[in-house]
Amino acid sequence: NAGVTQTPKFRVLKTGQSMTLLCAQDMNHEYMYWYRQDPGMGLRLIHYSVGEGTTAKGEVPDGYNVSRLKKQNFLLGLESAAPSQTSVYFCASSSHSGGAYNEQFFGPGTRLTVL
Amino acid sequence: DAKTTQPPSMDCAEGRAANLPCNHSTISGNEYVYWYRQIHSQGPQYIIHGLKNNETNEMASLIITEDRKSSTLILPHATLRDTAVYYCIVRVEETSGSRLTFGEGTQLTVNP
Repeated sequence: NAGVTQTPKFRVLKTGQSMTLLCAQDMNHEYMYWYRQDPGMGLRLIHYSVGEGTTAKGEVPDGYNVSRLKKQNFLLGLESAAPSQTSVYFCASSSHSGGAYNEQFFGPGTRLTVL
Repeated sequence: DAKTTQPPSMDCAEGRAANLPCNHSTISGNEYVYWYRQIHSQGPQYIIHGLKNNETNEMASLIITEDRKSSTLILPHATLRDTAVYYCIVRVEETSGSRLTFGEGTQLTVNP
């Protein structure tokens, strides 16, 4: 049981390049989330999904797109990277059963630098 | 969601109890108190949550005051591995997707 995994672990982009971050979970969770964390700050929610085929905006969605074509995967896309998107990106998932709605399981993070 | 206030940093001696406070004076009746921690460079980890009653699990205990305006997370025998940022979050339980708001938390340093 791997839990939540993220690919890649590190990436350096040039301004204007695009990339996709992949999040996968093997816990059959309904909900998945993408956060970003800037140095010395707490996490901020970018986008989230309450089920396969659904997505919704979080606190800081601008400049990002997401897709949830399969229940176990949640993709975060940057169409035209900017230096302000330099951050650590965390994916998380949670179940809606058993009342554990807010018990989120986090991945190890992706460290992205945009030059 | 109710706003939470935590001290920016705390120290604790290894083997002693670590008591981390959190103020949430505007908490409403259906909001739970959640605690997460983030060890350096890792993803946050869920610790415990509660509504009214005190809660205990294998990691920690959560003490919530009777008026629910504040709470304390207790790590009974802190180890060096407990050095982390601890986040107190107040949130309703909802079925439309959990949207946790992480503040700046408390940096707990456990000293040998």
